[in-house]
Amino acid sequence: EIVMTQSPATLSVSPGERATLSCRASQSVSSNLAWYQQKPGQAPRLLIYGASTRATGIPARFSGSGSGTEFTLTISSLQSEDFAVYYCQQYNNWPQFTFGPGTKVDIK
Amino acid sequence: QVQLVQSGAEVKKPGASVKVSCKASGYTFTSYGISWVRQAPGQGLEWMGWISAYNGNTNYAQKLQGRVTMTTDTSTSTAYMELRSLRSDDTAVYYCARQTGPVGGMDVWGQGTTVTVSS
Repeated sequence: EIVMTQSPATLSVSPGERATLSCRASQSVSSNLAWYQQKPGQAPRLLIYGASTRATGIPARFSGSGSGTEFTLTISSLQSEDFAVYYCQQYNNWPQFTFGPGTKVDIK
Repeated sequence: QVQLVQSGAEVKKPGASVKVSCKASGYTFTSYGISWVRQAPGQGLEWMGWISAYNGNTNYAQKLQGRVTMTTDTSTSTAYMELRSLRSDDTAVYYCARQTGPVGGMDVWGQGTTVTVSS
């Protein structure tokens, strides 16, 4: 089973600042990685798939990079609506999927 | 619009079974798969399994093998997830999500169904 880890567990950022979130896979997942945003009481929302492709309607301030075992989600200038929990998910051994434990982005 | 609408909250006793439904609309149901994901209170997301709405093929998370069954009814564009022998640690919000295939993620999510297991 591919194990996903995320760091940091919590990231405190001021509005307008840049946020960088990391995700690591226990073995290569190529570019078969997605990122999700989840706000309290809501279902997750797909942000990025294929490691770097934004999903429909996702603002350009969200960007993804990486391949193999190391991935990054960058939010270039945090808006108030971006404070949430972010999960990475691998789908390399489709249709078996694994989520990371999440990174909470909160207000500094 | 494309949406997934799930059935309502359930309260079950330990040892019982629960069956959650997920009705799709706004797209061709058989062109996508459905994943089921759960989230225990205050915890992260746990993938439970996947079903192809095209041919009914399934793939379940190893820890749930033997307790979970996923099915679809193409005549009503509805997916179902049944979990048996419920335990207190099955208490969670259960989500269905449209799976875009081998090169994408889960792009449409249901609103979630709260399942509470309590004696």
